Amino acid sequence: DAKTTQPTSMDCAEGRAANLPCNHSTISGNEYVYWYRQIHSQGPQYIIHGLKNNETNEMASLIITEDRKSSTLILPHATLRDTAVYYCIVKMAAAGNKLTFGGGTRVLVKP
Amino acid sequence: EAGVAQSPRYKIIEKRQSVAFWCNPISGHATLYWYQQILGQGPKLLIQFQNNGVVDDSQLPKDRFSAERLKGVDSTLKIQPAKLEDSAVYLCASSSYRDRGYEQYFGPGTRLTVT
Repeated sequence: DAKTTQPTSMDCAEGRAANLPCNHSTISGNEYVYWYRQIHSQGPQYIIHGLKNNETNEMASLIITEDRKSSTLILPHATLRDTAVYYCIVKMAAAGNKLTFGGGTRVLVKP
Repeated sequence: EAGVAQSPRYKIIEKRQSVAFWCNPISGHATLYWYQQILGQGPKLLIQFQNNGVVDDSQLPKDRFSAERLKGVDSTLKIQPAKLEDSAVYLCASSSYRDRGYEQYFGPGTRLTVT
């Protein structure tokens, strides 16, 4: 699986959009970009995934660059409950492919 | 739909003792994973089951860790004997081929402290 690079931490203001970057310059053509988050004392939670098109669901939007070497997770209106560690993971979308977690980005939403 | 259940939530043992964790995945999920998460790090896969067969146990310290998934549903992870460095949160997750992205659903974890 391709390796990802994320900032260690970032702050954002409540009610504003939070833009979380991720670099994955060695991603291969059949690998997807997944995002999970982990709120304190809970297990990781799936957010969204994509291959090359931008994706949106009820939680977030995922913007993938045309060359697929980087992506951005957007939380449109951050709330205090979005404070968590966010993990960007690259893997094939197939049953049985394990998740390889890096250090993630620690996001603190401030009032 | 009920989520992934794990028990106990917390466990404190002394080194060289044994401990077991239990996981009940989401109903119908054929794939089950056990992860170890040391404080300050991301989770690391220990073992993966497809139904009741092992798919990947390459990172499981087999001299002290064992896991089973009888009947392809519940699973137990055992450590015997425990070492200080086994202090971590043990997370269970499950996934289904019916989900387009095969996303994994995690339980709340068991926090193990070895003294």
